[in-house]
Amino acid sequence: SYELTQPLSVSVALGQTARITCGGNYIGGKNVHWYQQKPGQAPVLVIYRDNNRPSGVPERFSGSNSGNTATLTITRAQAGDEADYYCQVWDSSTAVFGGGTKLTVL
Amino acid sequence: EVQLVQSGAEVKKPGEPLKISCKGSGYTFTNYWIGWVRQMPGKGLEWMGIIYPGDSDTTYSPSFQGQVTISADKSITTAYLQWSSLKASDSAMYYCVKLSSSRGNFDYWGQGTLVTVSS
Repeated sequence: SYELTQPLSVSVALGQTARITCGGNYIGGKNVHWYQQKPGQAPVLVIYRDNNRPSGVPERFSGSNSGNTATLTITRAQAGDEADYYCQVWDSSTAVFGGGTKLTVL
Repeated sequence: EVQLVQSGAEVKKPGEPLKISCKGSGYTFTNYWIGWVRQMPGKGLEWMGIIYPGDSDTTYSPSFQGQVTISADKSITTAYLQWSSLKASDSAMYYCVKLSSSRGNFDYWGQGTLVTVSS
């Protein structure tokens, strides 16, 4: 079965740039979606199809996908960006989530 | 406005059956896949399966095939997740999700239903 690998945690200084990776075999050939989940809340879509932002998501959030790694980039990180982030793809008819990355803003 | 409103928290005993629900509104219910995602305490997201309410076509994750049943009643725009016999390991938060398209992203999420299974 297809697997997605994310770092358990990423730390970023306030106002700096955070990058969260999602590794998978030839993931560059798949559409990658990213979700943000704050404590006690349901996840929210922040990036779809590699690099598209739903309405209401700040331009500070962007994505890229190539080769075996997809990346979620958050520029000018704010305290409110502290959350768990999950990548997701479809492999055949199965949805696969990465294990999630806890982003800490210092 | 698209909304997915889930049924309330449940506390059950091992071996009991359970059916939780998710009512969709603000969009054409029969035209979009709707699914379920499990999150065990302190853990990540796990996709369970999806259903197309228009024709009840259903796909399950291999991990959940045979363990749960996903259904939908298009007349009341509601999807369901059910167990015939709960186990303690079924204790988790369950989210219903709407797909943007077939094999698309999960663009809307319900608020979650917490299921606790304990003797």
